[in-house]
Amino acid sequence: GAGVSQSPSNKVTEKGKDVELRCDPISGHTALYWYRQSLGQGLEFLIYFQGNSAPDKSGLPSDRFSAERTGGSVSTLTIQRTQQEDSAVYLCASSSDFGQQETQYFGPGTRLLVL
Amino acid sequence: GQNIDQPTEMTATEGAIVQINCTYQTSGFNGLFWYQQHAGEAPTFLSYNVLDGLEEKGRFSSFLSRSKGYSYLLLKELQMKDSASYLCAVRDPTGGFKTIFGAGTRLFVKA
Repeated sequence: GAGVSQSPSNKVTEKGKDVELRCDPISGHTALYWYRQSLGQGLEFLIYFQGNSAPDKSGLPSDRFSAERTGGSVSTLTIQRTQQEDSAVYLCASSSDFGQQETQYFGPGTRLLVL
Repeated sequence: GQNIDQPTEMTATEGAIVQINCTYQTSGFNGLFWYQQHAGEAPTFLSYNVLDGLEEKGRFSSFLSRSKGYSYLLLKELQMKDSASYLCAVRDPTGGFKTIFGAGTRLFVKA
């Protein structure tokens, strides 16, 4: 597709369950970001992948959160033992390279609700 | 520490001009972005500044002063569709090139 896609668009889960969120970046984009946005708040950086370099995981809030990017393309964000405070919109973004104007293109997000 | 400050909300009238300010304190600096986000939608890119001065793009302009850690987004000839949140974001190369976002400014355009 032409843009960043994410799935599922909505996810409702019970506290304690694991969830997987998927991001398909724009083809050829080497950089991929995950952010979290709580209602009415700004974007909270979670993790960043750039090419084959080690990911920057400095934004992951706890060890329940992990992410991987297979083949330099699709990425999966996994949240284990979900908690109610994990409820938020999870946004994925990709960009073409590490250049000066690294415009990020965002996907539509996954709305996660933990009951 | 890293901090980006923007006003929480602003209201302006259709056809008017509005200026949304952003101040930042980051370990490093490698560019400042403005994104627009309509309610329930993903952010979309508006502008990028890496050098001091004003960048104009149609009805939108963005200004940067690196020495003051300050930027503003100027919206002219406001339209109702400009009602959205405007996110200021700084790219910080320290420890990796992540982008730090402010909480956003919700702009309400009234008739």
